[in-house]
Amino acid sequence: KQEVTQIPAALSVPEGENLVLNCSFTDSAIYNLQWFRQDPGKGLTSLLLIQSSQREQTSGRLNASLDKSSGRSTLYIAASQPGDSATYLCAPDGTSGTYKYIFGTGTRLKVLA
Amino acid sequence: KAGVTQTPRYLIKTRGQQVTLSCSPISGHRSVSWYQQTPGQGLQFLFEYFSETQRNKGNFPGRFSGRQFSNSRSEMNVSTLELGDSALYLCASSLLGVSTGELFFGEGSRLTVL
Repeated sequence: KQEVTQIPAALSVPEGENLVLNCSFTDSAIYNLQWFRQDPGKGLTSLLLIQSSQREQTSGRLNASLDKSSGRSTLYIAASQPGDSATYLCAPDGTSGTYKYIFGTGTRLKVLA
Repeated sequence: KAGVTQTPRYLIKTRGQQVTLSCSPISGHRSVSWYQQTPGQGLQFLFEYFSETQRNKGNFPGRFSGRQFSNSRSEMNVSTLELGDSALYLCASSLLGVSTGELFFGEGSRLTVL
């Protein structure tokens, strides 16, 4: 059974800092891993999808890496801004054939102006 | 391009009643998956439908059911509501299906059970 842990659970930083959010998962037999952000009371917004053949993906100030063998993924946010304040969730998909993503409990980020 | 649309956005029910939630995926997407989000349990997978077939189901009681229509729109139904069913219900659509592609989420339906 896939279990996902995200560290830290909460983070408060001043604007401009570079951030690292960590995600670890117990079953390395995944196809994809996706990072999302969620604003309070809202749905999830896809940030980055790392497919099985890839080790990282970049979009603007965001970079996500994936190390399947060690069961870890890292989301790097450069030059953080107050608009980055949200909860960040990582979701590796289930093991082969299970057709579902398993979500971590998230990192709640607050960027102070 | 329209996103994923969920209706209704908010609803209040009483214990014992039933509820039906609707999800319209992005045009061309054939996969719709459903999730329950609560403060205590986080985001949990309910089920996924692909081309009108349920491909996988999470660990929820039989009171939770769903279906998908030929136009890919999906509904989920919860019967005999319990207080613990109060949650944000999210649906996500994907072009090829969960585990093979990017998920796009709707804004959710917030259910309160009194």
